[in-house]
Amino acid sequence: GAVVSQHPSRVICKSGTSVKIECRSLDFQATTMFWYRQFPKQSLMLMATSNEGSKATYEQGVEKDKFLINHASLTLSTLTVTSAHPEDSSFYICRTGSGGADTQYFGPGTRLTVL
Amino acid sequence: GQNIDQPTEMTATEGAIVQINCTYQTSGFNGLFWYQQHAGEAPTFLSYNVLDGLEEKGRFSSFLSRSKGYSYLLLKELQMKDSASYLCAVRDNTGGFKTIFGAGTRLFVKA
Repeated sequence: GAVVSQHPSRVICKSGTSVKIECRSLDFQATTMFWYRQFPKQSLMLMATSNEGSKATYEQGVEKDKFLINHASLTLSTLTVTSAHPEDSSFYICRTGSGGADTQYFGPGTRLTVL
Repeated sequence: GQNIDQPTEMTATEGAIVQINCTYQTSGFNGLFWYQQHAGEAPTFLSYNVLDGLEEKGRFSSFLSRSKGYSYLLLKELQMKDSASYLCAVRDNTGGFKTIFGAGTRLFVKA
């Protein structure tokens, strides 16, 4: 099956810094990437949908200037949390899958802790 | 909009059978997924239903009734390692394909 990698797996940063999370599809071309956020004991919340070569589509309530998404190639999408604050501490997960696929491939997730 | 409901927690005994229910409301239903998620890890795919009926895959089975907006995940011969959260997720084709997740059901398997 398809493999999606995510880096870093864990990151601890100071408030006010920016953090970049990378999501790579290792053996297929990912034209679409979904970014989710999950707070403890809560479900995955869709943040945005990125398409290769175009601007990301953000869900209602997600600040596009704070969560910058870049999908410049078919194998790499990045999420940058700018000026991170403690309330941004969460588990961030990317997911991809072709339009007709019955399965969807998640990255292993990134645990962000903002002090 | 979409709404997905599933029980918050369930407890079952090793070797037993457990059924986790999920009800949903969505305007553009395009399939229902079940995922297993262990604490601190990403979800792993269990099943996908787009037509009514039962899909069986080893110890896990998933059922869908589109007219009732209802699905269940059936786990047989429970093992301790099955203790995890089980996420029901619905794909909606309104305004582009999106997959919306329920809050998850935390299953505790006891000896």
